[in-house]
Amino acid sequence: GQQLNQSPQSMFIQEGEDVSMNCTSSSIFNTWLWYKQEPGEGPVLLIALYKAGELTSNGRLTAQFGITRKDSFLNISASIPSDVGIYFCAGQRNNDMRFGAGTRLTVKP
Amino acid sequence: DVKVTQSSRYLVKRTGEKVFLECVQDMDHENMFWYRQDPGLGLRLIYFSYDVKMKEKGDIPEGYSVSREKKERFSLILESASTNQTSMYLCASTNLQTYGYTFGSGTRLTVV
Repeated sequence: GQQLNQSPQSMFIQEGEDVSMNCTSSSIFNTWLWYKQEPGEGPVLLIALYKAGELTSNGRLTAQFGITRKDSFLNISASIPSDVGIYFCAGQRNNDMRFGAGTRLTVKP
Repeated sequence: DVKVTQSSRYLVKRTGEKVFLECVQDMDHENMFWYRQDPGLGLRLIYFSYDVKMKEKGDIPEGYSVSREKKERFSLILESASTNQTSMYLCASTNLQTYGYTFGSGTRLTVV
């Protein structure tokens, strides 16, 4: 099954910088989700988006559901060391969930 | 606090062994999933189940089987482990009313 195209693959940033990552697909999804996976743990849901064009925030995180329903982005503002991890996008259509390959974020103090 | 629990965090098995990975959820979720996670490949679906005794193949079922005898438990079986099955295995569950999955902490399997 087709996975999503997530970029960038990795990011090395300085503490305090803003981060942006995105996900695209050739297919339409009804829901877009963003997960974070910390070392040695399973992914944890950060944000869920249910409508095309929707912009949702969760603290320093902001995500948008693309108007075409084929893409989404996640922004992290003023990064801190505990933002380190792998961020996955996921698109859901009925019972089918597809994941991006992940963006590995490293934050240097 | 709702949970998906995977029985082992780390496993080392020999080539040819039969391996069981166990997953239990306490949320009364109908749907359960097994993924494997490899660097650069993201999460790939192995098998899933929508109900007790139900199972469906995912994208990469070869070399694996599953068992769901009870609603809360979903087991992944490697019939004859091979070195290319060395990976991180993640179990997840969800119900029909919510979006997004709840994941377990993963089992890192090494086959030597």
